[in-house]
Amino acid sequence: DAKTTQPNSMESNEEEPVHLPCNHSTISGTDYIHWYRQLPSQGPEYVIHGLTSNVNNRMASLAIAEDRKSSTLILHRATLRDAAVYYCIRGYFGNEKLTFGTGTRLTIIP
Amino acid sequence: DTAVSQTPKYLVTQMGNDKSIKCEQNLGHDTMYWYKQDSKKFLKIMFSYNNKELIINETVPNRFSPKSPDKAHLNLHINSLELGDSAVYFCASSQYRGGGANVLTFGAGSRLTVL
Repeated sequence: DAKTTQPNSMESNEEEPVHLPCNHSTISGTDYIHWYRQLPSQGPEYVIHGLTSNVNNRMASLAIAEDRKSSTLILHRATLRDAAVYYCIRGYFGNEKLTFGTGTRLTIIP
Repeated sequence: DTAVSQTPKYLVTQMGNDKSIKCEQNLGHDTMYWYKQDSKKFLKIMFSYNNKELIINETVPNRFSPKSPDKAHLNLHINSLELGDSAVYFCASSQYRGGGANVLTFGAGSRLTVL
């Protein structure tokens, strides 16, 4: 089962950190965790991905639990432009596609 | 210079017509995809090509036919359009064939409305 579980929606205040959770309890040792986001009326956009260690880039940080059954996408200082649907996806070897779930709709409150 | 570009952005047509959506990527990627996002916002993969070879063909009606003239282009032709084909179609590309750390770059989408 390649599914991940995310809350349907979250709200956060502008200029505050946002922690978006994702459960992937059936993850195997070679599965990567990817995060994409989709802003209104745009195509999905890559955010970050990781395997075991925490990862940082200019957009966000990814914290992966030690048992790898869950992860958290961290937006350090949310802006109104971060309002989007965020997708947590498992990327695994031998599978040539990324399967998108329903994601978390993030609303930023000014 | 757009990395993954799709044309047209909007397409309105009548049932029964045939239409095409074109996609081009300038990233030098080997693999291209078509995804469909319906009115409920579910994003589902339809097809994938790697160096002009079809590698993913999900359960899609025969009316949908992808064509990849070269690895930078992937077009989608739809015959005998039906109301249920109304959706936003996204093209994407990736450097590798798939799996693991492969990252996709998406186009802005082509909104198809069938009347």
